Amino acid sequence: AQSVTQLDSQVPVFEEAPVELRCNYSSSVSVYLFWYVQYPNQGLQLLLKYLSGSTLVESINGFEAEFNKSQTSFHLRKPSVHISDTAEYFCAVRPYSGGYQKVTFGTGTKLQVIP
Amino acid sequence: EAEVAQSPRYKITEKSQAVAFWCDPISGHATLYWYRQILGQGPELLVQFQDESVVDDSQLPKDRFSAERLKGVDSTLKIQPAELGDSAMYLCASSLEAGGQAEQFFGPGTRLTVL
Repeated sequence: AQSVTQLDSQVPVFEEAPVELRCNYSSSVSVYLFWYVQYPNQGLQLLLKYLSGSTLVESINGFEAEFNKSQTSFHLRKPSVHISDTAEYFCAVRPYSGGYQKVTFGTGTKLQVIP
Repeated sequence: EAEVAQSPRYKITEKSQAVAFWCDPISGHATLYWYRQILGQGPELLVQFQDESVVDDSQLPKDRFSAERLKGVDSTLKIQPAELGDSAMYLCASSLEAGGQAEQFFGPGTRLTVL
């Protein structure tokens, strides 16, 4: 079984400041890693994913996440946040193995960007 | 741009009543998922379809919940009778295939309130 821990339920940050949203996971098998973003009253949108290769992955809107296997972490970072980044962010994992493997989500971190 | 459609967006019902949610996945997507997202938590998989077949319903409370995808396209999730604890956001997602790398596309969700 897999589990995902997002220790910070809320993160307030001033506009143009850097931010890091933490994600740690536990799994007995290798996993794919994902970050999703959810705006109020909307569904989830994929922000970025780590499948293989370079441990640093980037999104088109300036977010990046680094896979650290030894620390079983996949923290999300952005060097300068905007008001429009205010949303809830979910870290998720999905096992490598074949068949119908389900995605396990963390409990989410609400990012509040303060003007 | 193709999207996952869900209806209704909001539903208020009294306990012991029956409710039904509808989902139309992105055209050509063989895999369809229903998730429940309780306030303050991440989405939890209720049921996964591959075409018209259920491949995972281990977390579906089968005494009151049912799901179908008769023609392998759109899907309906039903609750009968609804209980107070069923108040949540119900999210539908679809993906081209069931593999671990396949991106899931989420609909806007149906927010259910049980009084």
